[in-house]
Amino acid sequence: GENVEQHPSTLSVQEGDSAVIKCTYSDSASNYFPWYKQELGKGPQLIIDIRSNVGEKKDQRIAVTLNKTAKHFSLHITETQPEDSAVYFCAASSNAGGTSYGKLTFGQGTILTVHP
Amino acid sequence: NAGVMQNPRHLVRRRGQEARLRCSPMKGHSHVYWYRQLPEEGLKFMVYLQKENIIDESGMPKERFSAEFPKEGPSILRIQQVVRGDSAAYFCASSPLGRGDTEAFFGQGTRLTVV
Repeated sequence: GENVEQHPSTLSVQEGDSAVIKCTYSDSASNYFPWYKQELGKGPQLIIDIRSNVGEKKDQRIAVTLNKTAKHFSLHITETQPEDSAVYFCAASSNAGGTSYGKLTFGQGTILTVHP
Repeated sequence: NAGVMQNPRHLVRRRGQEARLRCSPMKGHSHVYWYRQLPEEGLKFMVYLQKENIIDESGMPKERFSAEFPKEGPSILRIQQVVRGDSAAYFCASSPLGRGDTEAFFGQGTRLTVV
C-alpha cells in the first residue's frame, strides 16, 4: 500500500518568512496530492491540491510542487502570518479503477508556528 | 449548504461500553469515509462506504468495529466493548456521487475518550 513521509515534524518561522513542508510517497499509482490544515479541535481543511498531470499550482500565498519522478511534493507558504499557525498534513490518493479520491494516505503532520 | 456534520463532538465511554458515532455527509454526497486520528498522529483510513454498501474496509480493526451507511439517515461507526486504546478523534469525510476526481470534505470530528 501507499506510504507517505512528511518532514519536518515541527517548523518555527518569523512572521513574513516562508515555510516549506516536504512529503514523499511510495505508490506510483497515486495521482492526487492534497494538503490539509488542521487547527486545534477542528477537522482537516483542504487548502490546496495538485493532480499528477501538473507540476506546480499556486493560490495566493500558497503553492504546491510535484515531482512525479522522484515521488515527492512540497507545500510552500510565503509571507507567513500568525494565523497560519496550525498542523499541516500532506496526503496521497488514487482514483484508479474508478475509485474516489476520498481514500487518502496521510503524512504524519507538521506543526507550523509563526511568531509575530 | 451545510458541511459534513458529525455528532456527538465529544463522547466519553467506560471500558466495555459501546460507542456510536454519526456522520451526515454534505448534501448531494453519497460517498462517506471514516478516519481515526490518534493523539499527535496523522489520520488513518478506516472504511469507505456508499449508501447501503461497504466499498473498502481495509483499515478497519478486525474485531469490535463496524460501519454502516443506510439508505436513510447518517452513516454510523460503531465500536463495541471499547478499550482505552480506542480513545482518539474520529473524522468522517464525504465526496459527491459518481465522481472519482473530486476531493473529500471533512467534518469536525468526534473525540472519543474511554475511561
